[in-house]
Amino acid sequence: AQSVTQLDSQVPVFEEAPVELRCNYSSSVSVYLFWYVQYPNQGLQLLLKYLSGSTLVKGINGFEAEFNKSQTSFHLRKPSVHISDTAEYFCALNTGGFKTIFGAGTRLFVKA
Amino acid sequence: GAGVSQSPRYKVAKRGQDVALRCDPISGHVSLFWYQQALGQGPEFLTYFQNEAQLDKSGLPSDRFFAERPEGSVSTLKIQRTQQEDSAVYLCASSGGTGMVEQYFGPGTRLTVT
Repeated sequence: AQSVTQLDSQVPVFEEAPVELRCNYSSSVSVYLFWYVQYPNQGLQLLLKYLSGSTLVKGINGFEAEFNKSQTSFHLRKPSVHISDTAEYFCALNTGGFKTIFGAGTRLFVKA
Repeated sequence: GAGVSQSPRYKVAKRGQDVALRCDPISGHVSLFWYQQALGQGPEFLTYFQNEAQLDKSGLPSDRFFAERPEGSVSTLKIQRTQQEDSAVYLCASSGGTGMVEQYFGPGTRLTVT
């Protein structure tokens, strides 16, 4: 069975500071990995995805993530955050079927 | 429409009532997914449609949950005899293909069972 673990439930950070949101996964087969963002009272929006190829993936809003197969990780990073980045972030995994498995989420709170 | 829409946005039901939640996917999208998101949790897969065919319903938590997409566009998630543990946000997503393509999510329906 596959699973996704987001190691931090909340991450407070000051505006313009860098941030890393951690995600580890477990799977016995090859995976496709995603990061989604959810603003209050809205649906999820795709930030970036890893399907194959380069392990460093760049997404929207200045976010990037690195796929590390040996450490089974897919951490999300941004070098300088804005107040508007305050939201819930979800790491997700798919093994090629219909089901996407989501982590429990990390709430990023950017302080002025 | 421009995106996935869901209605109602909020629903309060008394325990034992039946509810129906509607999803309007992006026009032309082949794939449609339903997810359940409990408070403080990530979305959990409920069911998947490819056009009008329900190809996977393994995530539906009980036989009180039923989903349909009769004409391959609008979908309805029905919950019979609602229980308090059904309280959650129900998210619908659609995608234009059947492979690893982006899912577009609706805003969700927040169901509260009292």
